[in-house]
Amino acid sequence: QKEVEQNSGPLSVPEGAIASLNCTYSDRGSQSFFWYRQYSGKSPELIMSIYSNGDKEDGRFTAQLNKASQYVSLLIRDSQPSDSATYLCAVNIDGGATNKLIFGTGTLLAVQP
Amino acid sequence: GAGVSQTPSNKVTEKGKYVELRCDPISGHTALYWYRQSLGQGPEFLIYFQGTGAADDSGLPNDRFFAVRPEGSVSTLKIQRTERGDSAVYLCASSLTGVLWNEQFFGPGTRLTVL
Repeated sequence: QKEVEQNSGPLSVPEGAIASLNCTYSDRGSQSFFWYRQYSGKSPELIMSIYSNGDKEDGRFTAQLNKASQYVSLLIRDSQPSDSATYLCAVNIDGGATNKLIFGTGTLLAVQP
Repeated sequence: GAGVSQTPSNKVTEKGKYVELRCDPISGHTALYWYRQSLGQGPEFLIYFQGTGAADDSGLPNDRFFAVRPEGSVSTLKIQRTERGDSAVYLCASSLTGVLWNEQFFGPGTRLTVL
């Protein structure tokens, strides 16, 4: 079992719709979770961090964390073509013993105009 | 302010050669990380510095890889006797401190191609 799993996609949504991206992780001791956006040929850009169960909203983005079920999700409201990118889920594994992030392989999102 | 910077942006070398990749973190960030990313994969952790010391080097694939951060700011990743399998994008990130919830910010990366 991979430590951080994401559906590779592509996830195709029409412009203006809600895009839902999901991620599961294996280590119950994980305490910090991040979503990065990566455009083709560019480096990852941090868009959300979440540390507590529940929802965290920032503009059109909402991160959701459920530690009991070991999943974290990202919702993008009013999706725009400029949101088309690969979204990487990253988890601080090892319960904070180390500060390294473990990344999923990313989900490719395509927003259709 | 300025973000993380990395040089060179691209490096092409021949198998067996030695390369150095440089990272300049965000000013004031004490924690620095190296990752590498292959096509279609997420970044893979290599090494983490807190200040001048390597706090976690568990991701370095073998002893051909070495990294330093002598003054607690700029870091250099060194790869000896490069192999074709070392070809990847090498990413550097920094965070304000090494506290686990500190957000990591990435530089633009160095694309290494080993011929």
